[in-house]
Amino acid sequence: QVRLVQSGSELKKPGASVKVSCKASGYTFNSNAINWVRQAPGQGLEWMGWIIPNTGNPTYAQDFTGRFVFSLDTSVSTAYLQISSLKAEDTAVYYCAREKGLGFDPWGQGTLVTVSS
Amino acid sequence: DIQMTQSPSTLSASVGDRVTITCRASQSIRSWLAWYQQKPGKAPKLLIYKASSLESGVPSRFSGSGYGTEFTLTISSLQPDDFATYYCQQYHSYSRTFGQGTNVEIK
Repeated sequence: QVRLVQSGSELKKPGASVKVSCKASGYTFNSNAINWVRQAPGQGLEWMGWIIPNTGNPTYAQDFTGRFVFSLDTSVSTAYLQISSLKAEDTAVYYCAREKGLGFDPWGQGTLVTVSS
Repeated sequence: DIQMTQSPSTLSASVGDRVTITCRASQSIRSWLAWYQQKPGKAPKLLIYKASSLESGVPSRFSGSGYGTEFTLTISSLQPDDFATYYCQQYHSYSRTFGQGTNVEIK
């Protein structure tokens, strides 16, 4: 079946970087964009942007420019989210989700990134 | 960017109740709206796409309606498994914004 499996939880210090992976299986990876969604503790869903595997072209939402980078390794059907210069307010669960054109499905299980000194 | 506003933020209901959640867009999104269900500690799950189309495997007690700027998600008879947070999302524009969520809790 179609699945997205994300890397495990991360604990980082302020100023460090983190790279979250999202491995796809069960479909042709190049066929659908991969979205990234942030959910801060107790908060709602924020769309961060997407990356299109065919072109490698990322699009970032307004609040996620500069420190956030989406990338791909199509040889292993994996998308990546890298966050640099981490701040305490980056503490959140980060989800990847496949773009169906009519919604997001499926979603990865989420990766908790905790930023604390 | 298109803003999505859900109401209410919290809804208290009992098993068997009919429940309706509203989502308003800041400009017309035609039918380009999805609804998701999220349970604590889990990823969201797609319920409805294109405003009123039921995703495969989703129980028929869920339904969606609306066009343009006003949309509703209805649960015809609330079941214990339905207590969760629900989000609308527009995909009319390249910026895929979510509503702030509606928490359906046990009355």
